[in-house]
Amino acid sequence: GIQVEQSPPDLILQEGANSTLRCNFSDSVNNLQWFHQNPWGQLINLFYIPSGTKQNGRLSATTVATERYSLLYISSSQTTDSGVYFCAVESQVQGDMRFGAGTRLTVKP
Amino acid sequence: KAGVTQTPRYLIKTRGQQVTLSCSPISGHRSVSWYQQTPGQGLQFLFEYFSETQRNKGNFPGRFSGRQFSNSRSEMNVSTLELGDSALYLCASSFGGGQPQHFGDGTRLSIL
Repeated sequence: GIQVEQSPPDLILQEGANSTLRCNFSDSVNNLQWFHQNPWGQLINLFYIPSGTKQNGRLSATTVATERYSLLYISSSQTTDSGVYFCAVESQVQGDMRFGAGTRLTVKP
Repeated sequence: KAGVTQTPRYLIKTRGQQVTLSCSPISGHRSVSWYQQTPGQGLQFLFEYFSETQRNKGNFPGRFSGRQFSNSRSEMNVSTLELGDSALYLCASSFGGGQPQHFGDGTRLSIL
């Protein structure tokens, strides 16, 4: 099945810093989403981005489908950005969503 | 509009028992998917239902089963519970293949 790799696995930042999270996937996809899981376990939709670039406030994402990767940018990070960020993809072949292992982000005041 | 609703939020069971979890999707969504999240295995796909039919299934034993009703609400059942079934079970709904999935808050299942 499709493989999803996220990097880095852990990231520690000072408040105000910028960061880039990466997601590599091994096959063509119908769907790619970025999620933020908060300390209570809730998975919050950040972006639905099978291709192209989107921005939402301090967050933006780019997916280059032909090269099979996606990037999530966080600018001017805040302590409330802490949590785990997941990339999930839906394979064109199998049709089920596969999650990466996540990037655990800690933003220190 | 109302989001995805999962009940119950927390559940404690003992080994050998069975459990049923419920998921009400966003109005208009016909696809419901279930996932298991554990610290060791991460987020793993269990199965997907669309219009009352199981469309995809992950690599889980037959003790894990599900169904979907005509109103798109879905239930997941786990029989003969094992300690390793302790996990956060998440449900997601969408309009269908290739469309964004929206997650509920999950059911945290603990097996004693």
